[in-house]
Amino acid sequence: DAKTTQPPSMDCAEGRAANLPCNHSTISGNEYVYWYRQIHSQGPQYIIHGLKNNETNEMASLIITEDRKSSTLILPHATLRDTAVYYCIVPDTGGFKTIFGAGTRLFVKA
Amino acid sequence: DGGITQSPKYLFRKEGQNVTLSCEQNLNHDAMYWYRQDPGQGLRLIYYSQIVNDFQKGDIAEGYSVSREKKESFPLTVTSAQKNPTAFYLCASSIVDVGRNTGELFFGEGSRLTVL
Repeated sequence: DAKTTQPPSMDCAEGRAANLPCNHSTISGNEYVYWYRQIHSQGPQYIIHGLKNNETNEMASLIITEDRKSSTLILPHATLRDTAVYYCIVPDTGGFKTIFGAGTRLFVKA
Repeated sequence: DGGITQSPKYLFRKEGQNVTLSCEQNLNHDAMYWYRQDPGQGLRLIYYSQIVNDFQKGDIAEGYSVSREKKESFPLTVTSAQKNPTAFYLCASSIVDVGRNTGELFFGEGSRLTVL
């Protein structure tokens, strides 16, 4: 089973920030949180990852709570091209069974 | 450019036929993976390989087979034993990092298999 819980869908207005939440209450101390997105009929694309500090790159920001039980992916200025399914992943430590749940379907509207 | 190449992009087969999907990477990654995706669903892990000549079953390996004879190649065979093979198949690769285990996954563009 996936180790994360995400809302099935969200809407966001174009140009506004999109904040996508993820719960990972069973995360252990050395497990990372990864975010990917999948545009329809394409392979998933890596966005960002983090352990306990907040992270930012050219695509997004990742905010991880102090207890590490949840995180939020922030797309600061959403565009129509950001419409996709976003997956929050916590890969198994010591293994390679990265499990993808159903993710959050983000709709960016003009 | 470095990346993962899957072929064919679209494939049709008749019931009872085996079919092999190709996955090649030039990223020098040790680990490779095969996932299956059904409409509206997440990805389910079929097989993964951490190193050449070694592979492990994922969550839905029944009816599938793989080989890892070369570091850059990880072909998937969908056998006639797979009862519902129509799906979108995704191949991925990653480094093997002692600290983070896998690092991020790099995906191919997928192969869409339809059984007629």
